Amino acid sequence: QSALTQPASVSGSPGQSITISCTGTSNDFGDSDYVSWYQQHPGEAPKVVISDVSNRPSGVSNRFSGSKSGNTASLTISGLQPEDEADYFCSSYTSTNTVVFGGGTKLTVL
Amino acid sequence: QVQLVQSGPEVKQPGASVKVSCKASGYSFANFDITWVRQVPGQGLEWMGRISPNTGNRKYIERVQDRLTLTTDTSRTTAYLELRSLTSDDTAVYYCARGRSLNWFDPWGQGTLVTVSS
Repeated sequence: QSALTQPASVSGSPGQSITISCTGTSNDFGDSDYVSWYQQHPGEAPKVVISDVSNRPSGVSNRFSGSKSGNTASLTISGLQPEDEADYFCSSYTSTNTVVFGGGTKLTVL
Repeated sequence: QVQLVQSGPEVKQPGASVKVSCKASGYSFANFDITWVRQVPGQGLEWMGRISPNTGNRKYIERVQDRLTLTTDTSRTTAYLELRSLTSDDTAVYYCARGRSLNWFDPWGQGTLVTVSS
């Protein structure tokens, strides 16, 4: 199973909004909306920021939002803050009952 | 609070095996799958497999399934990952995580660095 496709890097200034895309095949995304997004700061474990395409787990800022159209999922971060600078990974539950991750996107807050 | 604490770093020779533990606390261990994910330093995440502590049902990624065994000990609320016939390609940080649904995982353990080197 190949990784989901994400841009290698995105950047934005404080206060701006950015969107990270995550593209796969119909087999990658299955028939479900089981797409999640993880934030990872250097030296730390990943932390979920979006589950099931667009749900924010408890404690996650409402500046994070998710969506999906066809075989592309997206993560939008609004009102960028310096602490948002991190790597972001998408993941999906596949048609073969496994999980596949995206290659990761490095977000730089200018 | 819900917490997963993993065992310490390991250095192994090629061809050896490694067993990483993941001690869960703060929740009913049997009620949630444990998923294992690895990350080569500086690279992306790779899902390896999951196990249900309640039923013992397992699912592995195809490319390591002949070398990988996931187990749990419900009396110790601990999950284990064993990977055999190690090569340098297995050098990575190995994470355990609690499965909240089929696809999202929270929290994650702190990670265990496994280095395979002669």
